Amino acid sequence: KAGVTQTPRYLIKTRGQQVTLSCSPISGHRSVSWYQQTPGQGLQFLFEYFSETQRNKGNFPGRFSGRQFSNSRSEMNVSTLELGDSALYLCASRHGTDSYEQYFGPGTRLTVT
Amino acid sequence: EDKVVQSPLSLVVHEGDTVTLNCSYEVTNFRSLLWYKQEKKAPTFLFMLTSSGIEKKSGRLSSILDKKELFSILNITATQTGDSAVYLCAVELGNTGKLIFGQGTTLQVKP
Repeated sequence: KAGVTQTPRYLIKTRGQQVTLSCSPISGHRSVSWYQQTPGQGLQFLFEYFSETQRNKGNFPGRFSGRQFSNSRSEMNVSTLELGDSALYLCASRHGTDSYEQYFGPGTRLTVT
Repeated sequence: EDKVVQSPLSLVVHEGDTVTLNCSYEVTNFRSLLWYKQEKKAPTFLFMLTSSGIEKKSGRLSSILDKKELFSILNITATQTGDSAVYLCAVELGNTGKLIFGQGTTLQVKP
């Protein structure tokens, strides 16, 4: 089975712009979670989607949003980018909400200048 | 506040050594504990533990959970240079999909 895929892998944006990141889960997996990884804060949970609905959200401002499509693919959007949004954005998928194991994609490295 | 603490933060050993990585946690609603290996890319899943005292093994790696004392250990025997990585411990809160990660332990294995 193919793993979790994320596009693009690298992105450079300017402050004030917005960005959309994409994640395709492992085939058959219906739950997708997003995480932000920075050297200072480590890995932090952004949100989880299942069946096109956001189940849970972490402590991030409203500029961070997401959605999930009927084929379980998910997108994450960050508006009005700030320098502090520079990070590795990882998505993880699991089969369903009762599953324990979460499998991560390669991440999107976002740099905000 | 939910937290996961790993120790040591970094470790340097020589090939063939055995290492033990520690993970302690204080969370409101424990569901499972997961170990990942990260080598400058996506974290790779290693183990998932939910029950106390049951050791999970995969080759030279093993892990065990103690739910009474709220900690887990990851053991790596006969270390190899390919084991050099950051090892992450994470706890899932309830059935939320939300993983709380520790800071990670950076392991360097020298030839």
